[in-house]
Amino acid sequence: SSELTQDPAVSVALGQTVRITCQGDSLRRNHASWYQQKPGQAPILVIYDKNDRPSGIPDRFSGSSSGNTASLSITGAQAEDEADYYCNSRDNNVGLFGGGTKLTVL
Amino acid sequence: QVQLQQWGAGLLKPSETLSLTCAVYGGSFSGYYWSWVRQPPGKGLEWIGESNDSGNTNYNPSLKSRVTISVDTSKNQFSLTLRSVTAADTAVFYCARGRWRRSPPDYFSYYMDVWGKGTTVTVSS
Repeated sequence: SSELTQDPAVSVALGQTVRITCQGDSLRRNHASWYQQKPGQAPILVIYDKNDRPSGIPDRFSGSSSGNTASLSITGAQAEDEADYYCNSRDNNVGLFGGGTKLTVL
Repeated sequence: QVQLQQWGAGLLKPSETLSLTCAVYGGSFSGYYWSWVRQPPGKGLEWIGESNDSGNTNYNPSLKSRVTISVDTSKNQFSLTLRSVTAADTAVFYCARGRWRRSPPDYFSYYMDVWGKGTTVTVSS
């Protein structure tokens, strides 16, 4: 089916590493992109082409994938990384978003 | 630096038509997929659809019967029309620039790298 599945919530201790995952059949053919969204703000792209970062995105953000699962990792999470994260892909000319993962930095 | 500026009516009654427009500043209009995404209050992102600069469109199957996305290349603008709205269409609507290309050897790459600030649309009688 054309769906992307994410864990609803994940937490990480300040300075530690966290991985957010996204599963879906479309990821076997399409690189996932990842977006960060803070309350009241538009999403911003943080990872594309599996592991490329737009200008201005810190290098503590990285992406990886295997089979039908894509992952976003934050190495050394900061307080400002607390946000909702969405994966994105495409299947049969239709865009797809995961349900989002709320990241809490403790 | 490319910027998207969007506008449109923020309050509608059930059965009315939603119309939003997004203007592209500071970059080329060709070679991209001009997209609309919405987010109901407290919920996740939903892809609505897209058009390239030639007017070729793709839509979310769940909205396809009510949605039209069009482009005006003379003004570097694209628009969203959503007909017969109900309270379930209440959401923040975002315009975005999409990129979709082959990523050798076997993958495709799709992402939205520039976003508008969003327009809140409320449907209420």
